[in-house]
Amino acid sequence: GENVEQHPSTLSVQEGDSAVIKCTYSDSASNYFPWYKQELGKRPQLIIDIRSNVGEKKDQRIAVTLNKTAKHFSLHITETQPEDSAVYFCAASSSQAGTALIFGKGTTLSVSS
Amino acid sequence: SAVISQKPSRDICQRGTSLTIQCQVDSQVTMMFWYRQQPGQSLTLIATANQGSEATYESGFVIDKFPISRPNLTFSTLTVSNMSPEDSSIYLCSVEVGTTEAFFGQGTRLTVV
Repeated sequence: GENVEQHPSTLSVQEGDSAVIKCTYSDSASNYFPWYKQELGKRPQLIIDIRSNVGEKKDQRIAVTLNKTAKHFSLHITETQPEDSAVYFCAASSSQAGTALIFGKGTTLSVSS
Repeated sequence: SAVISQKPSRDICQRGTSLTIQCQVDSQVTMMFWYRQQPGQSLTLIATANQGSEATYESGFVIDKFPISRPNLTFSTLTVSNMSPEDSSIYLCSVEVGTTEAFFGQGTRLTVV
């Protein structure tokens, strides 16, 4: 089955800096890669996703890149703000209906002002 | 998007007892997923529930411990049976909307004493 590795486990940056979180996956059949943000005590919320027919996707300060050959994908947050502080999870699945998401172990991002 | 109501939001239970968690979706969905999130950990898939058939369990999870019902396309329950302190976790239901995008219920925080 799919296995998703996520690094780093913790990341501390100064406000305004960029943050990068990296994930690798094992199943070449996976073709959907979402990123979730989870604030303390709350449910995970989708922030951005990418499918395997695209190499990069951006949404304001957030971008995701995908390298299918190397089986890795990354989350990039620019101009970080204190409200970006949270736990971020990457995930992978096949886009076939009914396929569950397999999550990485998470990255705790702390943005200090 | 989907609105998912999960209850109870939290409970404290005695060891050896069982707790049933309910998940209600505001639209019909084919697949529902149950995850466990142990304190400070990532989300681990317990099982996939398809209406009208037996749930499919992931390695390490068994039906006797986590029986699941899926009586219709908008509702599912997960029971945590014969609980021990190791079952203390957050349990989340999830549904996919469109092509694989997953939304989560608010979670059930279970403490077993």
